[in-house]
This record gives sequence, C-alpha cells and structure tokens, in this order.
Amino acid sequence: QKEVEQNSGPLSVPEGAIASLNCTYSDRGSQSFFWYRQYSGKSPELIMFIYSNGDKEDGRFTAQLNKASQYVSLLIRDSQPSDSATYLCAVRRSGGSYIPTFGRGTSLIVHP
Amino acid sequence: NAGVTQTPKFQVLKTGQSMTLQCAQDMNHNSMYWYRQDPGMGLRLIYYSASEGTTDKGEVPNGYNVSRLNKREFSLRLESAAPSQTSVYFCASSGAGSRDTVNSPLHFGNGTRLTVT
Repeated sequence: QKEVEQNSGPLSVPEGAIASLNCTYSDRGSQSFFWYRQYSGKSPELIMFIYSNGDKEDGRFTAQLNKASQYVSLLIRDSQPSDSATYLCAVRRSGGSYIPTFGRGTSLIVHP
Repeated sequence: NAGVTQTPKFQVLKTGQSMTLQCAQDMNHNSMYWYRQDPGMGLRLIYYSASEGTTDKGEVPNGYNVSRLNKREFSLRLESAAPSQTSVYFCASSGAGSRDTVNSPLHFGNGTRLTVT
C-alpha cells in the first residue's frame, strides 16, 4: 500500500465551482505537505505547501492539514478550465534524509 | 535563472543500448533526485543524492546508475536499456539556499521522454 493515497479521479467540476482534492498519508512522522499541479505532458509545478494544522490560503487555493486524521486537502475556489490538470500530493517526513513521497495524483477536469 | 535543466527532452533507444540523462541545477541545492513517471504509477524515486559525493537508491533503482558529478549536476545512466524503462524521467532538486530541510519543496526539470524499442 502506497504511503500517500489520492483518488485518481477524474474529478469533474463546473466552471466557477469549488474543487476539493484530498490526500491521506500513513506515516505519522510526516511533517511537511506539498501540492503540485501537472499539466499533461509537462513537469510538476509547486502550488503551495503547508506544515501546520489548519488552513493556509494563497489566492484561489486553500490547503487544509489535519495531522490527527492524517489528511491534507487542496481547495480550488472559482475553478477555471485552466485548472484542469493532475494534482500531486507530496509528503516529507522529519528525520533522516527527508525523502519526499508522492501520491499518484488526482485528475481534475473543469468544464465550462 | 534556469532552475533545473534536463537533457535530452526526447530519446528513442533500442533494447540493449546505453545512454545518460543529464541534469543540472543552478539554485545551489544540496539534494537532487531522479524520478520516473508511468501512467497510473505516479512519481517513483529511482535514486537521490542528499549532498555532493553521496548517492542512494530509491524505490526502483534496478537497471540504473547515477553520478553526482558536482553540486550542480546529477546524471542518470541506463547501461543496457530495456522496454520496461520506457517512461518519462524527471530530475528534481531541493534545498533552502544551500541546506535541504524537511520544509523544502522540490523543483522539477522539464522531463525526458524515453522510449525503448
């Protein structure tokens, strides 16, 4: 079982709606959490990261972290067709060499 | 500022041929990584280098070798390519300034699309 789990989707939302992407992780030593966006045929690009429990907002994006329940989510408000991509969740744990672990990604489709 | 540069962008090999994928970063990062990405499998770590002069195996190292040539460059070599190595390869680096920490995000290169026939 992969340590970082994401629903592969596709998640389909209408333009203007809120898209909610979820990620669960199994390692309680995980300390930092990253969301990447990957367009088809392109490389992953960092959207945002979160270290502390609670919400972190950056423009239309909000990351939510709940370490007790071991999940992190990404909300995209006012979704646009240009948000259509695969979203990767990545986790780094404290101690050792901080090797990041990636989920398999969730495909998001925003339809007009 | 170029970030992470990978070459080549595309490559087609015949089974048994060898090649080296090149990666260079100009962000003074200590840590560098090689991932492969296959449909439905996500990013899988092949090798990583936590600092100049050190390399370690990741999740899927078989059939690959790496060299951390200096702080900037981290190459991936396929000695005898196999069709199972057809994939998209990404190099990445991380480090806040010159020191990598648990809070440092990864920065990715544009990828190399490799086909082995």
